[in-house]
Amino acid sequence: EIVLTQSPATLSLSPGERATLSCRASQSVSRYLAWYQQKPGQAPRLLIYDVSKRATGIPARFSGSGSETDFTLTISSLEPEDFAVYYCQQRRNWWTFGQGTKVEIK
Amino acid sequence: QVQLVQSGAEVQKPGASVKVSCKASGYTFTNYAMHWVRQAPGQGLEWMGWINGGNGNTRYSEKFQGRVTMTRDTSASTAYMELSSLRSEDTAVYYCARVDSYGGGWFDPWGQGTLVTVSS
Repeated sequence: EIVLTQSPATLSLSPGERATLSCRASQSVSRYLAWYQQKPGQAPRLLIYDVSKRATGIPARFSGSGSETDFTLTISSLEPEDFAVYYCQQRRNWWTFGQGTKVEIK
Repeated sequence: QVQLVQSGAEVQKPGASVKVSCKASGYTFTNYAMHWVRQAPGQGLEWMGWINGGNGNTRYSEKFQGRVTMTRDTSASTAYMELSSLRSEDTAVYYCARVDSYGGGWFDPWGQGTLVTVSS
């Protein structure tokens, strides 16, 4: 099983700041990496797929980068609605998720 | 628009089974596979398995093999996930999620979730 490790567990930032979230895979996942956002009481929502492609309707402030084992989700300038939990997911070998990074208001 | 509507919350006793439904609309059901994912209280996301909407083929996570059964009713555009031999650790929100339309095998969109509580 491919294990995804996200860091940090919690990110405390203010609106307008830049958020940088990391996801590291236990083995190469090539470009089979996605990011999801989950708000309290809601289902996850696909943000980024294939490392860097934004899903329909996702604002340009969200961007993804990386390859093989190291990936990053960047939110260029945090909006109030961006405070949530973010999960990375791989589909190189079945599907697994990281444990999540909570982006909270500082 | 594509929508997945799941059945309501369930309370089951240890050892019992639960069957969660996921009714799809807004697309051709048989053209897409459906995944099931669960989330224990305060925890992360765990993939359980998937079912091909067209031919009904399934693939389950090894963790749930032997306890989970995924089926579908194409006439009702509905997918089902049944989990048996329930234990307290199975208390979670269960989500269905369709394979995305980008051709990549990602999960988009998701149902609203069904809370399953296992308690004596």
